Amino acid sequence: KAGVTQTPRYLIKTRGQQVTLSCSPISGHRSVSWYQQTPGQGLQFLFEYFSETQRNKGNFPGRFSGRQFSNSRSEMNVSTLELGDSALYLCASSLGGTNLVFGPGTRLTVL
Amino acid sequence: AQRVTQPEKLLSVFKGAPVELKCNYSYSGSPELFWYVQYSRQRLQLLLRHISRESIKGFTADLNKGETSFHLKKPFAQEEDSAMYYCALQGSNSGYALNFGKGTSLLVTP
Repeated sequence: KAGVTQTPRYLIKTRGQQVTLSCSPISGHRSVSWYQQTPGQGLQFLFEYFSETQRNKGNFPGRFSGRQFSNSRSEMNVSTLELGDSALYLCASSLGGTNLVFGPGTRLTVL
Repeated sequence: AQRVTQPEKLLSVFKGAPVELKCNYSYSGSPELFWYVQYSRQRLQLLLRHISRESIKGFTADLNKGETSFHLKKPFAQEEDSAMYYCALQGSNSGYALNFGKGTSLLVTP
């Protein structure tokens, strides 16, 4: 069974740009969650999708958005990038929302 | 508000010694608690959840609602246990969002 995949693995952007990250969940998993990991703040919840609907959203500005497609693949978008958005973005999938299986992450660097 | 506190950033023990990784939480309802582990160059993965009441890789964790704690224990540490450990809480009023502690880096030395 293939694990959670995230693309790209590494990204370098400049301030003001926007970025889209992609996540493919484990086959059969309908829930996809996104987390931001930084040395200072640790792991912070961004949002969770289930069957194309956002079920929950963390305390992040509106520049952070996401969506889920009918095949359960998910994307997250960050617009007007700031230096502080530099982080490891983790995607996790699950059948119903618990027992998360994490992907390898996308390392975003904002210059 | 929910909060997960892991008071130790780094814990160093000798091989064969007991290990206890502390986790305290604050939550007004009945939370679901988890331990996640990240070995070097590997993905974050679920180690155990309190509702399962099982032992994984020799680790156990008991939910103490009175002390609002969910400490992770292992009687005899092994070098391969060296990793980053995260305690996480899932509250009934926050959907399936996990609230993670800052993590404890466990180093088991020979």
